[in-house]
Amino acid sequence: GQQLNQSPQSMFIQEGEDVSMNCTSSSIFNTWLWYKQEPGEGPVLLIALYKAGELTSNGRLTAQFGITRKDSFLNISASIPSDVGIYFCAGVMTGGFKTIFGAGTRLFVKA
Amino acid sequence: KAGVTQTPRYLIKTRGQQVTLSCSPISGHRSVSWYQQTPGQGLQFLFEYFSETQRNKGNFPGRFSGRQFSNSRSEMNVSTLELGDSALYLCASSMSTDEAFFGQGTRLTVV
Repeated sequence: GQQLNQSPQSMFIQEGEDVSMNCTSSSIFNTWLWYKQEPGEGPVLLIALYKAGELTSNGRLTAQFGITRKDSFLNISASIPSDVGIYFCAGVMTGGFKTIFGAGTRLFVKA
Repeated sequence: KAGVTQTPRYLIKTRGQQVTLSCSPISGHRSVSWYQQTPGQGLQFLFEYFSETQRNKGNFPGRFSGRQFSNSRSEMNVSTLELGDSALYLCASSMSTDEAFFGQGTRLTVV
């Protein structure tokens, strides 16, 4: 079945460092979504991408929709302790009604 | 605008029992999706409803079922509970098929 390969699985970084994570697939997606989940809560939508090559920012977060429509990346600049959480990518299938989620990147930030 | 509301937040059930979880989507959203989240398996898609019709289904046994009402509220039911059904169950609503907004989830523990 369709799946997304999200990497890295986890990251341990120092406050102030930049972070990069990505998702790749063999399938083409119409839309890429990036979510953040904190303990005990549901995922919160951070950024939505709708066009191949699109680069979108939300504060210190920047995400891009890969030109092949099979990948996306998320960058976090100048990380802070409250960036801690699990980041999920999600791809919405072309012409379908299905959203596929990556396994998540667990981010730890040391003050 | 109120977000996605899931009830109850926490639930403890015994093996063999059944359980019903409820999800009220964001006003105006007609699509409701359900996911199971466990530490080792990430977000697993259960099913998606749109205008009271199941539009997509994941690979879960028939013990997992759902429905959607005319006001877009949705319920999912798990019969004959097993220990492995312990998980965070998340509901997400969207206008159509793209940006999905999650509730806080229902934490189900089966003992």
